[in-house]
Amino acid sequence: EADIYQTPRYLVIGTGKKITLECSQTMGHDKMYWYQQDPGMELHLIHYSYGVNSTEKGDLSSESTVSRIRTEHFPLTLESARPSHTSQYLCASSGRGGTGELFFGEGSRLTVL
Amino acid sequence: AQRVTQPEKLLSVFKGAPVELKCNYSYSGSPELFWYVQYSRQRLQLLLRHISRESIKGFTADLNKGETSFHLKKPFAQEEDSAMYYCALSGGSSGSARQLTFGSGTQLTVLP
Repeated sequence: EADIYQTPRYLVIGTGKKITLECSQTMGHDKMYWYQQDPGMELHLIHYSYGVNSTEKGDLSSESTVSRIRTEHFPLTLESARPSHTSQYLCASSGRGGTGELFFGEGSRLTVL
Repeated sequence: AQRVTQPEKLLSVFKGAPVELKCNYSYSGSPELFWYVQYSRQRLQLLLRHISRESIKGFTADLNKGETSFHLKKPFAQEEDSAMYYCALSGGSSGSARQLTFGSGTQLTVLP
């Protein structure tokens, strides 16, 4: 079934640890995005990709990095997690045609102690 | 720079009453506006886009360029409309989601 998947859904980790949030989509979309969302706040774009080997930083500065080696996979990595990274991270994708519709995953809620 | 403002974080109405969720934007060019919705324990999803001029689940939204607004309206609210609603603006070409800017959201609660 065509969908977009995020793992883990919840992660509690100590300061200084390296973490990777996984995002995969089976919709054949070329564009993928990572948004960061704090409770009661707007979604902020932190990374996006228009295709394989194409990644750009979004409007909100983030210490995380991303890679796009395969069309369907867009992982986000934090080399050394800090409490300030505690947030919800939403992955999304969109197809060709530029309709503006994003398809979101269920999100990964990260807590750094 | 583009910006989306949703002035109400929380909005409560009674079932059957009209509901209006406000959205104002700032953008110098010709924007494309969207409403996204997140129901409890579900993922964020597109509700409607201004370019389609459609009514989804009884909701409509009209782009008012003079007032730079894109308010979401429904004449008779239902309990299942309770959700978080986000207004979003695309200032890029062809609705490029690269430029999609979201507001902070309005939590709508429809009371029985």
